Amino acid sequence: NAGVTQTPKFQVLKTGQSMTLQCAQDMNHEYMSWYRQDPGMGLRLIHYSVGAGITDQGEVPNGYNVSRSTTEDFPLRLLSAAPSQTSVYFCASSKVRQGTYGYTFGSGTRLTVV
Amino acid sequence: DAKTTQPPSMDCAEGRAANLPCNHSTISGNEYVYWYRQIHSQGPQYIIHGLKNNETNEMASLIITEDRKSSTLILPHATLRDTAVYYCIVRMLTGGGNKLTFGTGTQLKVEL
Repeated sequence: NAGVTQTPKFQVLKTGQSMTLQCAQDMNHEYMSWYRQDPGMGLRLIHYSVGAGITDQGEVPNGYNVSRSTTEDFPLRLLSAAPSQTSVYFCASSKVRQGTYGYTFGSGTRLTVV
Repeated sequence: DAKTTQPPSMDCAEGRAANLPCNHSTISGNEYVYWYRQIHSQGPQYIIHGLKNNETNEMASLIITEDRKSSTLILPHATLRDTAVYYCIVRMLTGGGNKLTFGTGTQLKVEL
């Protein structure tokens, strides 16, 4: 089991560029989420999905788009990168009922926007 | 989701028990207490969760007070690898988009 796989691990973008952060899970989890973490702060929810074809906004959705065409994948798109989006991004997934294992997080994507 | 309050930092000697407190005085009857930890630069890791009974697994024990307004995560024999930020989160088992609301957590430093 690979768990939650995020790519790339590191990325540098220029202001105004667009890119997609990839997230894939192989645990047949219904729920998937994207968080960002800035220095000295806890994780903040960007977008989440409760199943294929269903997405919703979290706490800080502006500047990001998501889609969920399959159960396995939940890509995060930066439409026009800004320096304020410099952060570490974590993808997470879980079953509808979190049960024993709660959320499984990926290892993160470290994004720098210059 | 109910708010939680945790001390910003704690120290613990290696081999000793680490007791991490969490206050959640506004918790409602159907909300669980979850604990996660984040070792430097890694993704958060689920530790344990409970409703009202004490819980134990291979990683830790969770003690929830009878009125459910506070809880304590216990790492029975802390090691240097347990140095991490520990997050206490209160939420329902299902529903609400399964969202997790993270606070700033407790930075636990385990020292020799």
